Amino acid sequence: NAGVTQTPKFQVLKTGQSMTLQCAQDMNHEYMSWYRQDPGMGLRLIHYSVGAGITDQGEVPNGYNVSRSTTEDFPLRLLSAAPSQTSVYFCASSQSGGRTLADTQYFGPGTRLTVL
Amino acid sequence: GENVEQHPSTLSVQEGDSAVIKCTYSDSASNYFPWYKQELGKRPQLIIDIRSNVGEKKDQRIAVTLNKTAKHFSLHITETQPEDSAVYFCAASISPGGNQFYFGTGTSLTVIP
Repeated sequence: NAGVTQTPKFQVLKTGQSMTLQCAQDMNHEYMSWYRQDPGMGLRLIHYSVGAGITDQGEVPNGYNVSRSTTEDFPLRLLSAAPSQTSVYFCASSQSGGRTLADTQYFGPGTRLTVL
Repeated sequence: GENVEQHPSTLSVQEGDSAVIKCTYSDSASNYFPWYKQELGKRPQLIIDIRSNVGEKKDQRIAVTLNKTAKHFSLHITETQPEDSAVYFCAASISPGGNQFYFGTGTSLTVIP
């Protein structure tokens, strides 16, 4: 199993550009989530999904959209990039999220995004 | 929502000494508390977790304790080694029923050889 994969690893955008960060998992996990990691602020939840067709907002959802058309994929879209979105983005998945007992979250390798 | 505070933000210890990192949480409904280790440039990886029905859990040199009354939990690393140097994050979640994990701000641990 590849686990949780993310592409790209690095990305530089100009203010106002849009892009999609890709996330995929091959463990048949129901729960997937996106976090951003900023210095001194830990990991903050952007959006999450408890299954195909179901998404919800986390702590910091503004400026980001998600969709979950399949169990495997959970892309994160930046609609109009801003310098405040410069960060490292991690995707994570777990077997069942919070619907049963919480499970180990497995993180992807991360995407380092810079918005100029 | 839940608020998780983590202290200290940086910690330096001599090799062989113990290290303790503490976290507090605000929501008494939280009942699942994982700890993650993140090496420089790498992804966070789970090292140990505890549920609210136990007070302590050990895995070799790593242990976690939980005080539900005081709403705090701690990570203990004994006989520290240079490879323990990393950033450690605590988190809290409600299960079942909750779908959000709330993370602390991290502790940068340096083990001095």
